[in-house]
Amino acid sequence: DVKVTQSSRYLVKRTGEKVFLECVQDMDHENMFWYRQDPGLGLRLIYFSYDVKMKEKGDIPEGYSVSREKKERFSLILESASTNQTSMYLCASSLQYGYTFGSGTRLTVV
Amino acid sequence: DQQVKQNSPSLSVQEGRISILNCDYTNSMFDYFLWYKKYPAEGPTFLISISSIKDKNEDGRFTVFLNKSAKHLSLHIVPSQPGDSAVYFCAASARTSYGKLTFGQGTILTVHP
Repeated sequence: DVKVTQSSRYLVKRTGEKVFLECVQDMDHENMFWYRQDPGLGLRLIYFSYDVKMKEKGDIPEGYSVSREKKERFSLILESASTNQTSMYLCASSLQYGYTFGSGTRLTVV
Repeated sequence: DQQVKQNSPSLSVQEGRISILNCDYTNSMFDYFLWYKKYPAEGPTFLISISSIKDKNEDGRFTVFLNKSAKHLSLHIVPSQPGDSAVYFCAASARTSYGKLTFGQGTILTVHP
């Protein structure tokens, strides 16, 4: 069964901290994505990657960066966490159409 | 600029009746549409999809209808069950976008026993 694994289910971080969210997929998918989910706003795309070391900005990239050094791993980095980055973060991977999602990381910035 | 819109934040239905969830889109380049279901504290899971060359796709209790001229799609669940209670997201993709999906805001479906 295909799998996307996010390293943490819940995280609490302080304002100004650098935060790393890790995502690993075992499906040899080319494309990987980071979204955040907020009530009333749905899922909004932060960054995506279509190949190793390749990255593209999504709709809301400000305050975030990403890293994809290996095909199976896609990391989201909050350079200096702020309270408005408190959210549910979802990683996904895909081959062509349709995603497989991880279970999500609920991040709280205090 | 919300390219995919779900205008109903919530829907409440009696068990056994039909649930109809609606979705509108604005981007004419979208050619593939999907519905995802999400329970709290879990990632979304794929439910059903439809290509723009079709106007209907059915999978068990779930049917998706696509009206390209109106840029509208809907998900029908018949009969609805309490276990269907979840957030439903509509999503759309364009062929040239690396499979990138644009999601709607979601509709919270509650099915009462």
